[in-house]
Amino acid sequence: AQSVTQLDSHVSVSEGTPVLLRCNYSSSYSPSLFWYVQHPNKGLQLLLKYTSAATLVKGINGFEAEFKKSETSFHLTKPSAHMSDAAEYFCVVRGSFGNEKLTFGTGTRLTIIP
Amino acid sequence: DGGITQSPKYLFRKEGQNVTLSCEQNLNHDAMYWYRQDPGQGLRLIYYSQIVNDFQKGDIAEGYSVSREKKESFPLTVTSAQKNPTAFYLCASNPGGQPQHFGDGTRLSIL
Repeated sequence: AQSVTQLDSHVSVSEGTPVLLRCNYSSSYSPSLFWYVQHPNKGLQLLLKYTSAATLVKGINGFEAEFKKSETSFHLTKPSAHMSDAAEYFCVVRGSFGNEKLTFGTGTRLTIIP
Repeated sequence: DGGITQSPKYLFRKEGQNVTLSCEQNLNHDAMYWYRQDPGQGLRLIYYSQIVNDFQKGDIAEGYSVSREKKESFPLTVTSAQKNPTAFYLCASNPGGQPQHFGDGTRLSIL
C-alpha cells in the first residue's frame, strides 16, 4: 500500500521569498514521486518527478524537490516566489512497475502576497 | 499541438439523467484514466484503461461507466446511480512508465 501526506493545506509567502511545500510518503517499495501544479479550473501540470535517480530533482519554473528516504519526505522548494506561482500543488506517489496507479495528496494551496 | 481535450468544460445534469463526458487524446498514449476531484481532496481514480477494448475499475467506480473502442477516446458516463455527481472530472493519459498528462477538466453540476 502507498500513501501521501501533504502537511499544509494552505501556505502563504511574500513575493520574492522562498517557498516550501511539505510532503511525506509511505510506500513498501522504492517509489516514484511527482509534484503537479493546478491553476483554477485547469488540469494538472507536471512540475517534476523522482524515479530513483538523483535525489535532488529540478523541475520547471525554478522548482526543485529533494527525496529523503530516511525521512520519507519529498518537499518542494523554490528560492524566490513569483505571483504566477499561486496555485494548488499536489504531491503524488506511483505504484510499482507495472502498476501505473497514482495516489494523490490532498493538495496545498499556495498564496503569494504582493 | 498534441494534448488531451475534454468536453464540455461545464455540464449540468438533471435528476435521473445519464451524462457523458468526452476525453480525446492525440498523444498516441496507450493508457487513459478518469479522476474525480472534490474540494479539499486529492484526485480519486474512477476507471482506467491500459489498452483498447479493456478497462478496469478504480477506487470509486460505482455509478460510472466507460468504454474504450478507440485508442484516442475514453468517454465517461455518469449514470443516474451516482447520487453525488457534482465534481470536477479530469482525464489523463500516459505512455507506459511515464508521468500522466492531464486534460483541462469538466465541471459537472446538478440542476
